Amino acid sequence: RKEVEQDPGPFNVPEGATVAFNCTYSNSASQSFFWYRQDCRKEPKLLMSVYSSGNEDGRFTAQLNRASQYISLLIRDSKLSDSATYLCVVNGGASGGSYIPTFGRGTSLIVHP
Amino acid sequence: ETGVTQTPRHLVMGMTNKKSLKCEQHLGHNAMYWYKQSAKKPLELMFVYSLEERVENNSVPSRFSPECPNSSHLFLHLHTLQPEDSALYLCASSQEEGKQETQYFGPGTRLLVL
Repeated sequence: RKEVEQDPGPFNVPEGATVAFNCTYSNSASQSFFWYRQDCRKEPKLLMSVYSSGNEDGRFTAQLNRASQYISLLIRDSKLSDSATYLCVVNGGASGGSYIPTFGRGTSLIVHP
Repeated sequence: ETGVTQTPRHLVMGMTNKKSLKCEQHLGHNAMYWYKQSAKKPLELMFVYSLEERVENNSVPSRFSPECPNSSHLFLHLHTLQPEDSALYLCASSQEEGKQETQYFGPGTRLLVL
């Protein structure tokens, strides 16, 4: 089983749609979780951290389910500019150090007019 | 604007060349990372330095040699690379404290090995 798994997509949605991505992780001892966004031929940039209580930032909502070992990202009212690859990142993975990150393969989102 | 810079942004080298990639962070962080990103693959962690000590080496071939002279600078020395080493090489930094260690990435060096 891969340490961090994501559906690569692409998710092809119209503007204004709501779309959700899930990411599963294998190490129950993982300590911190993030969603990053990566545009084509650019570096990844932090979108949001994921807290146990869930958190929301505008149109974006992230949730953590420790029992089932997955995190989710919900995007409401999709914009054309949301088109990107969304990377799930889990810290405290196989190597045990809290700062050792493991990246998922990424989920591709395409928002069309 | 990112506080992590990388040079060069693009590099073409032959298999017998020796080159170095440079990364500099202006964020006061104490951990730095090298990643490799190939097409259709997830980011692969290559090296981690914390407080200038190497703490992680994910079985990277010896033709890649990292150097971290201080907490702000990180180098990746390349020699006798193979064509399959062509990829985007990303540097990142973070502040190792607490549980939420957000990584900040540089723009990357796009490497082509001929």
